[in-house]
Amino acid sequence: GAGVSQSPSNKVTEKGKDVELRCDPISGHTALYWYRQSLGQGLEFLIYFQGNSAPDKSGLPSDRFSAERTGGSVSTLTIQRTQQEDSAVYLCASTWVAATDTQYFGPGTRLTVL
Amino acid sequence: EDQVTQSPEALRLQEGESSSLNCSYTVSGLRGLFWYRQDPGKGPEFLFTLYSAGEEKEKERLKATLTKKESFLHITAPKPEDSATYLCAVNYGGATNKLIFGTGTLLAVQP
Repeated sequence: GAGVSQSPSNKVTEKGKDVELRCDPISGHTALYWYRQSLGQGLEFLIYFQGNSAPDKSGLPSDRFSAERTGGSVSTLTIQRTQQEDSAVYLCASTWVAATDTQYFGPGTRLTVL
Repeated sequence: EDQVTQSPEALRLQEGESSSLNCSYTVSGLRGLFWYRQDPGKGPEFLFTLYSAGEEKEKERLKATLTKKESFLHITAPKPEDSATYLCAVNYGGATNKLIFGTGTLLAVQP
């Protein structure tokens, strides 16, 4: 079946501009995660959505970052007033509800801030 | 502080030369340890989940094992197509079940 999809695959923007990154989880998965992968660093948790519960935003690095999930499916990560240090690969993952379930990742969006 | 450390950072093998990758963790209350493979420009691809010490799982040339403080990914008679970055991640539970990742081991298998 279809896996997690993300768009765009690449995004180049100028410092100070806003960007939106999209994630379509696997159908039926109710949990959705956003991670960031910077060069030479491990994946870093950003935000978590589970059904209709309030999201866990504890990993967002600043208030310039926000995310929403509409209808319990598609999610959008928004970065306002982008900075060069925001350049990274942004990965989305989804899973079933169960606590120990495997997270399945999308291909990521490579963001470059000039 | 919960931490996941992978070693070595990079490993170069000749085709057929078996070896092991290490993932050590200092997470309390482990709820699962995951191994992923990541090819350049792609997202992590799931390989294994281990839940308790002593557990082992195999897939083709790969075998993952788990102790109370570390996990090993054994690669037997690797082929060039096994070249990738191998990521280890730990789920320590909590409300979100977020994963804590190591920085990965870059494996290169030469023909």
